[in-house]
Amino acid sequence: EAQVTQNPRYLITVTGKKLTVTCSQNMNHEYMSWYRQDPGLGLRQIYYSMNVEVTDKGDVPEGYKVSRKEKRNFPLILESPSPNQTSLYFCASSLMRGVNTGELFFGEGSRLTVL
Amino acid sequence: GEDVEQSLFLSVREGDSSVINCTYTDSSSTYLYWYKQEPGAGLQLLTYIFSNMDMKQDQRLTVLLNKKDKHLSLRIADTQTGDSAIYFCAETSSGGYQKVTFGTGTKLQVIP
Repeated sequence: EAQVTQNPRYLITVTGKKLTVTCSQNMNHEYMSWYRQDPGLGLRQIYYSMNVEVTDKGDVPEGYKVSRKEKRNFPLILESPSPNQTSLYFCASSLMRGVNTGELFFGEGSRLTVL
Repeated sequence: GEDVEQSLFLSVREGDSSVINCTYTDSSSTYLYWYKQEPGAGLQLLTYIFSNMDMKQDQRLTVLLNKKDKHLSLRIADTQTGDSAIYFCAETSSGGYQKVTFGTGTKLQVIP
């Protein structure tokens, strides 16, 4: 089954304790992206990657890091989480080659709470 | 930068039509999308429209695009309780579809 898988789905942590949210897709998509969803603000892009070893900042990159060592994986790293990073996080992927509509395929989300 | 705006909430009775509206600022938008987010799930593409189209119909869904006013709407005919969800409008410009801008989302509540 074609899918984007995120882990963990739920996490409660404390300020300053490094954490990683993993994202993996099995559709051989070149493009991957991370978003955060906050009430009244919709989805805001954190980082994106157009291919292996290529990453770029989105609209709200502060406090986050990413890496793209393999095509299928795009982990989101919070080196020193703070309470304002409490949010619902989504990973998404998309095909880039060929004729396509740019449809994004989303994971089920990771709800992070930073105390 | 680009901005996409939607009202936050819409309530309709089962069987009625729902109309969800969206305005955007990017005049170079190429694709405009409607995504649906059901409770506890990620977003799924519902439908899309290319910027050179005025209307697109897909079963109970009708998308209308007014490019002059930068206004996009999604009409759901015969709304069902299963249509209760958050609906996101999104757009991407000719600068590259990797930059997709989402609206705030409209929560549709269907009253039985």
